[in-house]
Amino acid sequence: GDSVTQMEGPVTLSEEAFLTINCTYTATGYPSLFWYVQYPGEGLQLLLKATKADDKGSNKGFEATYRKETTSFHLEKGSVQVSDSAVYFCALSAIYNFNKFYFGSGTKLNVKP
Amino acid sequence: GAVVSQHPSRVICKSGTSVKIECRSLDFQATTMFWYRQFPKQSLMLMATSNEGSKATYEQGVEKDKFLINHASLTLSTLTVTSAHPEDSSFYICSASPAGRSNEKLFFGSGTQLSVL
Repeated sequence: GDSVTQMEGPVTLSEEAFLTINCTYTATGYPSLFWYVQYPGEGLQLLLKATKADDKGSNKGFEATYRKETTSFHLEKGSVQVSDSAVYFCALSAIYNFNKFYFGSGTKLNVKP
Repeated sequence: GAVVSQHPSRVICKSGTSVKIECRSLDFQATTMFWYRQFPKQSLMLMATSNEGSKATYEQGVEKDKFLINHASLTLSTLTVTSAHPEDSSFYICSASPAGRSNEKLFFGSGTQLSVL
């Protein structure tokens, strides 16, 4: 079945460091891929998405490229800020039911000043 | 932007009691809402799809008599954990999509941490 695997956290970085959070997926066909972010006390918010192979999603300095060869959708940011501290979830949307999401376990990011 | 309100954010109950969790879309109508649960260090797992005015669709392995879902209006879905036991302790989160919108317009509540003693 469809599934998403992402690196375990927590990840602790200093401000302005480079961030990578790995995400790989297993799915039928070519699903849509997403990164969601959850700030403390809030709901999950869509950070970025990609709907087909080689697409690059980007938002707020974060980027992720849909790589079908490696079935990956790694999240990157060149220079993190303290305000980026949150939990990040990788997810896919099944092609047979676009509202059916499969999530990774989430990666907590702590950015220290 | 669109907001989904989930209540309560945290609940502690005794084994054998029932707990109701509410999920409300505050500024849009949602014909479909989704319920997820997450165990520590595990993935957020879809439990069921809640359809306004009809029965919920449950994922394989989820007990429908255990997790009662009622989607009585276009802005409210409730999840009731009946006769809760310690193994039901988990993080529950709902999501909703404005009627007729694509999957990128999926909004999440802030989640409910259930602890059953």
